[in-house]
Amino acid sequence: NAGVTQTPKFQVLKTGQSMTLQCAQDMNHEYMSWYRQDPGMGLRLIHYSVGAGITDQGEVPNGYNVSRSTTEDFPLRLLSAAPSQTSVYFCASSYGRQAYNEQFFGPGTRLTVL
Amino acid sequence: AQKVTQAQTEISVVEKEDVTLDCVYETRDTTYYLFWYKQPPSGELVFLIRRNSFDEQNEISGRYSWNFQKSTSSFNFTITASQVVDSAVYFCALSEAQGGSEKLVFGKGTKLTVNP
Repeated sequence: NAGVTQTPKFQVLKTGQSMTLQCAQDMNHEYMSWYRQDPGMGLRLIHYSVGAGITDQGEVPNGYNVSRSTTEDFPLRLLSAAPSQTSVYFCASSYGRQAYNEQFFGPGTRLTVL
Repeated sequence: AQKVTQAQTEISVVEKEDVTLDCVYETRDTTYYLFWYKQPPSGELVFLIRRNSFDEQNEISGRYSWNFQKSTSSFNFTITASQVVDSAVYFCALSEAQGGSEKLVFGKGTKLTVNP
């Protein structure tokens, strides 16, 4: 089992560029989510999904899009990158359709927007 | 709305000292779940514990112990005889079982430094 994988590990973008952060899990988890981690802010929920075809917004969704076409994959799209999106991004997954089960986290993607 | 407060931003101790990390939460649900995660300097997030609101028994796992008190809405984490390897950022988190069951809300974290 690879668990939760994220690519890339590091990325540098210029303002206005778009990109997709990839997240995949091989545990057949229904629940998947994206968080961003900023210094002194903890982890803040961006978007989440409770199953294929179902997504919803978290606390800080602006500037990000998600889709869930398969159980395994949950990509996060930055439509037009801004310096405020410089952060470390974590993808997580868990059993069931709720967030109150143990979350398994990916290794993170460190994104810098210039 | 669910909220988690970790008032201690940074703590520094000397090895072998005991240290307690505080976590205070807010929720309107009667059923909810509390978590602690560890983030060592390498950056990954490591699950430590999950407790539900109906289980107020203290939990002990080796040098780690957790004190859950519904009366004060707190779920504190104590490391006994701290070691350098305990240096990390520790996050407390909350998920409601009813109204906010699809969201896990984190505190801002406490950075623990254990000096040799």
